[in-house]
Order: sequence, then C-alpha cells, then structure tokens
Amino acid sequence: DQQVKQNSPSLSVQEGRISILNCDYTNSMFDYFLWYKKYPAEGPTFLISISSIKDKNEDGRFTVFLNKSAKHLSLHIVPSQPGDSAVYFCAAEGGGSYIPTFGRGTSLIVHP
Amino acid sequence: KAGVTQTPRYLIKTRGQQVTLSCSPISGHRSVSWYQQTPGQGLQFLFEYFSETQRNKGNFPGRFSGRQFSNSRSEMNVSTLELGDSALYLCASSFSSGSKNTQYFGPGTRLTVL
Repeated sequence: DQQVKQNSPSLSVQEGRISILNCDYTNSMFDYFLWYKKYPAEGPTFLISISSIKDKNEDGRFTVFLNKSAKHLSLHIVPSQPGDSAVYFCAAEGGGSYIPTFGRGTSLIVHP
Repeated sequence: KAGVTQTPRYLIKTRGQQVTLSCSPISGHRSVSWYQQTPGQGLQFLFEYFSETQRNKGNFPGRFSGRQFSNSRSEMNVSTLELGDSALYLCASSFSSGSKNTQYFGPGTRLTVL
C-alpha cells in the first residue's frame, strides 16, 4: 500500500502562473517531509523540506504547506517558469524510520 | 565539490545474468542509499550503507545485494536478472545517517534486461 500518494501524474501550467503540486500521506507517524525535483537523465535534486512542527516553509519561489490533520502537503511555485518543468517527488520520513518514502511523482509542464 | 557519480550510466543485460553497479558519494559523505525507479512506481528504497555496514534494507529479494568500501564507495549487485529488474537505479549519499540528512542523488544507471 502506498503511504505517500501523489494523485496527479501530470500538471500543465502557464508561465507566470502558480503551480500547485499535492501530496497525501497515510502514516500519521511521518514527521518530516521533502520535495525533490527531477529532470530527465538526472538524479532527483532536493528542493525544500518541512518539519511537522511547522505548517509552512518558504524558499524563494517555492513554498511548502503542511496540513497535519488532513495528512496533506502541497508545493506552491510562484511564479512558474519553463525551467521548472520536471517531475516532482514528495517524500516523507518518520514512523521509526529515517528512510524517506517517496510518492510516484507529478510531471509539471510550464508552457511559455 | 564533485557530485555523486554512478557508473555505468547505461547497461543492457539478458535474463539470468548478473550485474554490478557502482556509486561514488560526495567527498565526506559516509551514508550511501540505493533506490530503484520504475515507470509509475516512484523511488523504491533498496538499502542503505553507513561506514561499511548495511543499516537499512528495503523489501527486495535476496538477489539484490550491496556493499560499501572503506572509502565510502558503494556497489550494488543484482544476480539472476529478470525482465522486471529493468529500471533506473539511483544512488544517493548524505553526510550522516539518520533523519533530516539531505540526500544527494547521482544521475542513475539505466539497466535494461532483455
């Protein structure tokens, strides 16, 4: 069973608009969440993280929101740029293990 | 600092063969983890090595094994290859083992089993 779910396999957004990528988790013991970005032919690159003691973390154009009661987190990219086109993976740690559990990824396409 | 390097980048094997993949972590990093990525499956954790010891193991059959050397370089071996082993194998290194240690990924080895 998938403990980390990214229900949208793909997302298409116009340049300059907001991109919102969603992630749901089932394990209430998860206490640390990460987002990775992956370009073709490259390995995933760490983007931003959030601890369960916070509900928001911001880094430039990227903001991650955490709703613990809903077991949901989202990544907002504002404004979106064509260079943001990539696959985004959500990952979670905790529950007695520090090995991150990854979602299946969402492919973001930002159109010029 | 040089990033995580993986060799070879591409590999084609036939069923029943075995394969060894190599990973050199970022200098100073002592933890190396291996992941398998298949279409639609995301990243599946294989195992983690820290200071030459396997610290964690994912839910993969015993055909998948690994080791880490004293210089932190790591190898992963898959014996008796099956068609379903075709995947991108990613190696990630981090400074230490444990929670909240950011992992840095290599570009991966694309394995095709015919």
